[in-house]
Amino acid sequence: DTGVSQNPRHKITKRGQNVTFRCDPISEHNRLYWYRQTLGQGPEFLTYFQNEAQLEKSRLLSDRFSAERPKGSFSTLEIQRTEQGDSAMYLCASSLDREKRNEQFFGPGTRLTVL
Amino acid sequence: SQQGEEDPQALSIQEGENATMNCSYKTSINNLQWYRQNSGRGLVHLILIRSNEREKHSGRLRVTLDTSKKSSSLLITASRAADTASYFCATDQSYNTDKLIFGTGTRLQVFP
Repeated sequence: DTGVSQNPRHKITKRGQNVTFRCDPISEHNRLYWYRQTLGQGPEFLTYFQNEAQLEKSRLLSDRFSAERPKGSFSTLEIQRTEQGDSAMYLCASSLDREKRNEQFFGPGTRLTVL
Repeated sequence: SQQGEEDPQALSIQEGENATMNCSYKTSINNLQWYRQNSGRGLVHLILIRSNEREKHSGRLRVTLDTSKKSSSLLITASRAADTASYFCATDQSYNTDKLIFGTGTRLQVFP
């Protein structure tokens, strides 16, 4: 399967704990995006990378959130000191060519539950 | 924040009927994309229409774009029970960013 993969698929944690999610994009895609989706809502943009450079961060991305994409391949999203409000589906997407304004391909998501 | 709204919020139809969903957005765009999401899963890209296009077809899908009204519609013809899902429009707003701004979604239920 050459689609976007995300791990873990589900994560349950206690408030105050740190969690880290991983996203592996489609191999030739140089852009990688993180979105967050809460129940009944559309996804909301968090941040995106072009290769290893983080180009934009949403105001939703508080200082408890950090994302990296070392070597321009996979990416990690870490949430420190989780809060119940962080409970959501975290979606990763990748795309190939900005100039062609191509579609973004999404992974299955990581569902986070903070107790 | 979300770019726009979709209408209706929920739609129930019988198999074989057509389903039409509308999307409105607020700012100028480069392109508009439609995605499908089955319950609790990731999004599947359906179709992309560029700002200089007015209509696009893909199989049973027909998308229109009216940039003067800042609106788009998705028509699914001859619906099937497998089309049951949430449908989202997403806009690509600017040449300075690649982020997508999603609408609130339409939940489509197709009864066999």
